This record gives sequence, structure tokens and C-alpha cells, in this order.
Amino acid sequence: NAGVMQNPRHLVRRRGQEARLRCSPMKGHSHVYWYRQLPEEGLKFMVYLQKENIIDESGMPKERFSAEFPKEGPSILRIQQVVRGDSAAYFCASSPREGSTNIQYFGAGTRLSVL
Amino acid sequence: SQQGEEDPQALSIQEGENATMNCSYKTSINNLQWYRQNSGRGLVHLILIRSNEREKHSGRLRVTLDTSKKSSSLLITASRAADTASYFCATGDSGYSTLTFGKGTMLLVSP
Repeated sequence: NAGVMQNPRHLVRRRGQEARLRCSPMKGHSHVYWYRQLPEEGLKFMVYLQKENIIDESGMPKERFSAEFPKEGPSILRIQQVVRGDSAAYFCASSPREGSTNIQYFGAGTRLSVL
Repeated sequence: SQQGEEDPQALSIQEGENATMNCSYKTSINNLQWYRQNSGRGLVHLILIRSNEREKHSGRLRVTLDTSKKSSSLLITASRAADTASYFCATGDSGYSTLTFGKGTMLLVSP
């Protein structure tokens, strides 16, 4: 049973380019969460999605960032016109059902570097 | 602002010693979870304690929760070099799926 798969593991972009980060949840999980982690910091919640629905995007910057979790395929976190401040590790987690008592299973992350 | 704040920020001990990490939070919670993160990796769930529980054990891990003080502690007994990692507490609100993480405690266990 494969865990949460994120790709790519490392992504390098120049300022102004677009970054697309992918996350395939664990089999049977329909809830996906995206977090951002800056060096020496904890994880900051960005967005919570269920299949085809954004449930909570209160942690997402209002501009340039978007997320989706289509009926088929992985969840995508998209960052348009990247800036140096977007450099961070982005983690995806999944859980089988809603409710905060659910354990979240994390992927290995995508490390985005903006030059 | 961060819900969970771990203390200390960093802890260095010898193998065989016990390690204690603390977490404080601000608002009411439904549960509190501890996660471990090895360098360059994702987080791994360790243990969950509900708001109506005071203590929980899992192997060499012992977690306490004091809701009156809004604090929790994670004790790792008989530590090993493989326990070297960052440890994060995360709080969950009632009926809500997202977790709020602290900044973590970096634990170094020397052989």
C-alpha cells in the first residue's frame, strides 16, 4: 500500500515562472491537505480539499496560489509567477475521512527553490 | 499566530537518557497529536491524545495532556540515536479536519 506520493521531490524555478506540485493521496483517502514549511519553522496550513471541492483555503495566499483535487488524478498545488519568498518545502498529507481526530499521512515533500 | 509552541527549541542528550518536550497551545482543542520529522523527510504520526484523556503510552513514548494549563508533554524513554529528529505537536479543533502545528523541538541523541 503506497504512501502519499509527491512529485517532484525538488523543483527549481526562476522568478516569474509557474510551479506545479503534485500529490497522490494514500489509496482510499479522499481528503488532502497542503502545508508549507520554511527553514527552521513548523508547518503552516495552506488548503484542505476533498475530491472536486476546496473545503478550507484560509491558509492560502490570495494571489498566485491555487489548488485542486480533481475527480481523477492527483491533487495539484499551483504557484504562478513565483518569487524568491515562495522557496520552501511543500508537504501534502491525506486522511481517509474528515474530522480532526484523523491521523494525517504525509508525503516526503517537494522542495521548491526559486532563483 | 501559532497554536502550538514547543519547548525547548533544541535538545541534546546521550543515548539511554530520557527526552522530554513540551507543547503549549492557546485555544480549546479536540485533540493533540505529536509528529516526528527526520531531516529532509515528511512528518510521521507518533501519537494522538484526546482532550478528555490525561496520559497515553505507546512503546517508549509517553504523552500527557493538561487542558487546564493548555499544555502537553512528550517523553521518550531510553532514547536511541535513531530518535534524532524534529518533533512537532499539532492541535485539532472540534469537528474540524485541519491541524495547527508548532515550530518543533529538534532532538539530537548522541551515541
